[in-house]
Amino acid sequence: AQSVTQLGSHVSVSEGALVLLRCNYSSSVPPYLFWYVQYPNQGLQLLLKYTSAATLVKGINGFEAEFKKSETSFHLTKPSAHMSDAAEYFCAVRVTGGGNKLTFGTGTQLKVEL
Amino acid sequence: DTAVSQTPKYLVTQMGNDKSIKCEQNLGHDTMYWYKQDSKKFLKIMFSYNNKELIINETVPNRFSPKSPDKAHLNLHINSLELGDSAVYFCASSQGDVGGNSPLHFGNGTRLTVT
Repeated sequence: AQSVTQLGSHVSVSEGALVLLRCNYSSSVPPYLFWYVQYPNQGLQLLLKYTSAATLVKGINGFEAEFKKSETSFHLTKPSAHMSDAAEYFCAVRVTGGGNKLTFGTGTQLKVEL
Repeated sequence: DTAVSQTPKYLVTQMGNDKSIKCEQNLGHDTMYWYKQDSKKFLKIMFSYNNKELIINETVPNRFSPKSPDKAHLNLHINSLELGDSAVYFCASSQGDVGGNSPLHFGNGTRLTVT
């Protein structure tokens, strides 16, 4: 069965600093990988997705993620954090034949400080 | 133009009651889902429907019964509510059935509080 592990339930960065949110996946077949963001009292919004077309994926709001098969990782990065980036971030995985089930990680709360 | 809309946004009720949450999507998607988010923000899939047919049922108690009258609607009915049912319930939709890279589009959630 597929799964994702997000290292660090809370990450704190200074405004303007690099954001790095970690995600490792487990799947016996090539996975589809996603990053979602959840702002307080809102639903989840897609940031970006990996579909095997390119290993470096660019998303909205300046975020990007790199798929590394050798490390089974799909870490999310942003060069310069903004106060508005403070939110909960979820990594998710789906595999073909998995009944279209999207399995989420436990989430990482990003805090951005002045 | 809300893509996935859920009603109500908040639902406060007492143990033992029966309640429903409604979901509608105007994206033309053929697959809809219910997810439950607990107090620790963990998201777990409950059900998935493709063209009104149930394709995922994740060991959810029988007190939860989804109903999909058409592919644009997926409602969730909960009988005999328990304290542990308190959570945020998210409806979502996507295009495509088994597998696929189409992302899920989420509603804004229904916060259910059982007292």
